[in-house]
Amino acid sequence: GQSLEQPSEVTAVEGAIVQINCTYQTSGFYGLSWYQQHDGGAPTFLSYNALDGLEETGRFSSFLSRSDSYGYLLLQELQMKDSASYFCAVKDSNYQLIWGAGTKLIIKP
Amino acid sequence: EAGVAQSPRYKIIEKRQSVAFWCNPISGHATLYWYQQILGQGPKLLIQFQNNGVVDDSQLPKDRFSAERLKGVDSTLKIQPAKLEDSAVYLCASSQVEGGEQFFGPGTRLTVL
Repeated sequence: GQSLEQPSEVTAVEGAIVQINCTYQTSGFYGLSWYQQHDGGAPTFLSYNALDGLEETGRFSSFLSRSDSYGYLLLQELQMKDSASYFCAVKDSNYQLIWGAGTKLIIKP
Repeated sequence: EAGVAQSPRYKIIEKRQSVAFWCNPISGHATLYWYQQILGQGPKLLIQFQNNGVVDDSQLPKDRFSAERLKGVDSTLKIQPAKLEDSAVYLCASSQVEGGEQFFGPGTRLTVL
């Protein structure tokens, strides 16, 4: 079967750094995407890793290790507006996205 | 550039009734996706279109769900008859090419009573 595992909830303090992990087991793999979804909103694309290593986009970075079937999203200088759910999603051999259940990020002042 | 449009935003129906959702993707996007997102879960792909052809509908409950994209632009998703477990947000997304970055619409929140 295909599965993605990520923590259901993470709590952090405003201004801090938080890491959201994702491990996956899929029948095919082209890359790992991360999406952000605010309550009542649509998922919005954050990043995509096809190769091993770290990709940085402003305050957000994403890492991939294909040999470990593992990736993470790193959020720095947390702001209250970063409170949302974060989803990892694998692009499988059919170019379709297989989604994790999401991690709810709670930020405290 | 206009984003993905969906309507209605909210719908409440009784079980066994019918409902239809509409999606207009970003102009020029060939690939269109319908997802079902149950509260607390990630989106689940129901059907994927490439222009007006179906690429994958393996997770679409075909006894009650149907979808079409007749002219390769906008699309409708229908549920007939609805069940309680169909209560979810129905998201439409589009991408310029198959496998490309997906852009999502605001979704339709369906409540089946």
